[in-house]
Amino acid sequence: SQQGEEDPQALSIQEGENATMNCSYKTSINNLQWYRQNSGRGLVHLILIRSNEREKHSGRLRVTLDTSKKSSSLLITASRAADTASYFCATDPVIQGAQKLVFGQGTRLTINP
Amino acid sequence: NAGVMQNPRHLVRRRGQEARLRCSPMKGHSHVYWYRQLPEEGLKFMVYLQKENIIDESGMPKERFSAEFPKEGPSILRIQQVVRGDSAAYFCASSLRTSGGTDTQYFGPGTRLTVL
Repeated sequence: SQQGEEDPQALSIQEGENATMNCSYKTSINNLQWYRQNSGRGLVHLILIRSNEREKHSGRLRVTLDTSKKSSSLLITASRAADTASYFCATDPVIQGAQKLVFGQGTRLTINP
Repeated sequence: NAGVMQNPRHLVRRRGQEARLRCSPMKGHSHVYWYRQLPEEGLKFMVYLQKENIIDESGMPKERFSAEFPKEGPSILRIQQVVRGDSAAYFCASSLRTSGGTDTQYFGPGTRLTVL
């Protein structure tokens, strides 16, 4: 079954507005990471939040983690056209010996000028 | 400090040919991961390697796919007798160490394989 699932699948907002993306997962995790991918490019690591953390900030990014609900959210404040990209959450499940990340399908974010 | 490097960036093969994808991890990183991304989808884990060892290949197809990370040189993902369904973007990631959980994985730009 899919571990990380992002919601919504696509989001279109005006420049300057805030964008919120959600991620749900199914199994216990060590940590959760958010990545950005511009069209046709590689992934850029944005932020890692560990299972014992509830909130983390990095510049215009704010990530929350609720392990009781098995969910996370990524908030981008004061969006810019350059924020247009796909955003993926990736979980690190608590499986002995496993080191793989499990990615969701991603949220395609479009910032309209 | 150069990031993760992958080559080639684009690779075109005809059905039945072999594809070799190379990945050089970030300096000092000894853990390498390969992922595959189909169009409009997220990344799917394929294999995790350390120098000269395959640690987890649970995401690798049983046939035609192999991976290695030799003592010297880049990690290689090899696909024999490619089929059209192998067309995808293949990403390599590396991390510094493991600490009971997964450390941050840094991704390369990917190799886009097209099978004609």
